[in-house]
Amino acid sequence: KQEVTQIPAALSVPEGENLVLNCSFTDSAIYNLQWFRQDPGKGLTSLLLIQSSQREQTSGRLNASLDKSSGRSTLYIAASQPGDSATYLCAVYTGTASKLTFGTGTRLQVTL
Amino acid sequence: DAGVIQSPRHEVTEMGQEVTLRCKPISGHDYLFWYRQTMMRGLELLIYFNNNVPIDDSGMPEDRFSAKMPNASFSTLKIQPSEPRDSAVYFCASGENRIYGYTFGSGTRLTVV
Repeated sequence: KQEVTQIPAALSVPEGENLVLNCSFTDSAIYNLQWFRQDPGKGLTSLLLIQSSQREQTSGRLNASLDKSSGRSTLYIAASQPGDSATYLCAVYTGTASKLTFGTGTRLQVTL
Repeated sequence: DAGVIQSPRHEVTEMGQEVTLRCKPISGHDYLFWYRQTMMRGLELLIYFNNNVPIDDSGMPEDRFSAKMPNASFSTLKIQPSEPRDSAVYFCASGENRIYGYTFGSGTRLTVV
């Protein structure tokens, strides 16, 4: 059974700092890994999608990497801003389960 | 497009009552997913449909839960009878395929007292 773990569960940083969020998964037979953002009281917004054959994806100040063999992914946020405050979730699509399995998220707060 | 629309946004009900959650997916999306989010278990897939047909309901916790998709523009998730442990945020998502590119609704926060 695929299990996805995110560390840390919560993180508070001052504005302007670069930060890294971690995601690990137990079954490396994945089709893709996705990072989502969830704002309080809102649904999930897809940020980045990394196919299993890829090593990283970039969008603006966000960079996500994937090491499938070790079951790890990182989301790097450069020059953090208060507007980045949200919960970040990673999810993997596993062929054997035919579904997207989510981690429990990292709650990020960027302070002024 | 208005995105995935869920109703109600909030629902408070007494234990034992029937609860019906509603979802309108994005037009043209062939896949519809129901998820439940709790602090303890995170986001869990309950059931998903393809072209209005239920494909995998292995995540439905108990027989008290049922889901239908009578047409391409509407789906319901029903809990009967409801219990306090059903309290959670229920999300509906739709997509053009089952692997990525889902659009999530804003969720229904259910509280069973």
